[in-house]
Amino acid sequence: DAKTTQPPSMDCAEGRAANLPCNHSTISGNEYVYWYRQIHSQGPQYIIHGLKNNETNEMASLIITEDRKSSTLILPHATLRDTAVYYCIVISNFGNEKLTFGTGTRLTIIP
Amino acid sequence: NAGVTQTPKFQVLKTGQSMTLQCAQDMNHNSMYWYRQDPGMGLRLIYYSASEGTTDKGEVPNGYNVSRLNKREFSLRLESAAPSQTSVYFCASKSWAGLAGGNEQFFGPGTRLTVL
Repeated sequence: DAKTTQPPSMDCAEGRAANLPCNHSTISGNEYVYWYRQIHSQGPQYIIHGLKNNETNEMASLIITEDRKSSTLILPHATLRDTAVYYCIVISNFGNEKLTFGTGTRLTIIP
Repeated sequence: NAGVTQTPKFQVLKTGQSMTLQCAQDMNHNSMYWYRQDPGMGLRLIYYSASEGTTDKGEVPNGYNVSRLNKREFSLRLESAAPSQTSVYFCASKSWAGLAGGNEQFFGPGTRLTVL
């Protein structure tokens, strides 16, 4: 069973905030939400992760709902270089869990 | 730091040929991974190595073997290549800082393999 559900594609105007949703209704208490992205033909790149509190780093912000069943990745000022496939992954932070990539959301930034 | 490096970048094989994909990381990471990505699909785990001297199967191990040569290097071998193994192969590594090691994996640039 898929652990996360994401829309297959989204568009966002350059300079605007890109908000990428992810549903993870079966998340368990010790599982974190991770976001990666893959720019065309490159290896995936880690963006951010969180457990239950909102998180922010130099790349993005992560908003997790209080019930932890969904989250939103926010790219505050999208640029053309943010065009990529974005993957939301739910995984325990302990031990040596393996990342499971779904098909993600293809985000296109429009000039 | 070069991060994660992979060789070769491109390879074309004929059915039945063998080859080894090389991966090396200079971040002193304990864990290393091999994934494949077919066109339009997400990544699927082939094999992983939690630490030097150990390897385990992932989601799609059939047709592949791996060797964790040392802490830096993790190679993937195709003994008898098949057209179904045409894919892009990514190597990744991760630090393991005790129990709460986190899952920030660092990926290489990939090897594009075509099997005719």
